[in-house]
Amino acid sequence: AQKVTQAQTEISVVEKEDVTLDCVYETRDTTYYLFWYKQPPSGELVFLIRRNSFDEQNEISGRYSWNFQKSTSSFNFTITASQVVDSAVYFCALSENAGNMLTFGGGTRLMVKP
Amino acid sequence: DGGITQSPKYLFRKEGQNVTLSCEQNLNHDAMYWYRQDPGQGLRLIYYSQIVNDFQKGDIAEGYSVSREKKESFPLTVTSAQKNPTAFYLCASCAGSGETGELFFGEGSRLTVL
Repeated sequence: AQKVTQAQTEISVVEKEDVTLDCVYETRDTTYYLFWYKQPPSGELVFLIRRNSFDEQNEISGRYSWNFQKSTSSFNFTITASQVVDSAVYFCALSENAGNMLTFGGGTRLMVKP
Repeated sequence: DGGITQSPKYLFRKEGQNVTLSCEQNLNHDAMYWYRQDPGQGLRLIYYSQIVNDFQKGDIAEGYSVSREKKESFPLTVTSAQKNPTAFYLCASCAGSGETGELFFGEGSRLTVL
């Protein structure tokens, strides 16, 4: 069975600090996909990134970066120089199959204070 | 603009009443999903449909029903059999069930049972 754990339920930082959101996953499959979504106060989830299990390259997109390590089953998300607009709930998710059924972690609420 | 529209945004229901949440998409996506989100928890899959006139139960389907008569529409009915229906409901769609792709989400419907 697949499982996603986000141990940090809530993180509070001051603007311009760097922050890392942790994600640990469990799966028996060798082929799987990992995702990060952002849920702002408006409610809808916004797609941030998808990574397949064969691509362990880290990715950087502006102030966002992701560190995928199969050896530790982790897919951590770092925001550099955080801004107030980054305040949201962030979800890590896993999909093992082609049906796009995602298993979500419990989410991490990030609060960035000015 | 293309997207997913959920209505109503807020809904109040008395115990024992059925209620239907609407989800419409104009993205021409084949697959649609319903998730439930409880405070401080991740999203849990209720039902999904990968093609018109076909749908499958997710992890927590008891007390819910769906239909998929049109590609654009995937309404969710919360029946009186659902013992704890107060929650935030999110509808999502995806282009296809081949390679796992990103899900697009609506802004959600918040249901409160009085």
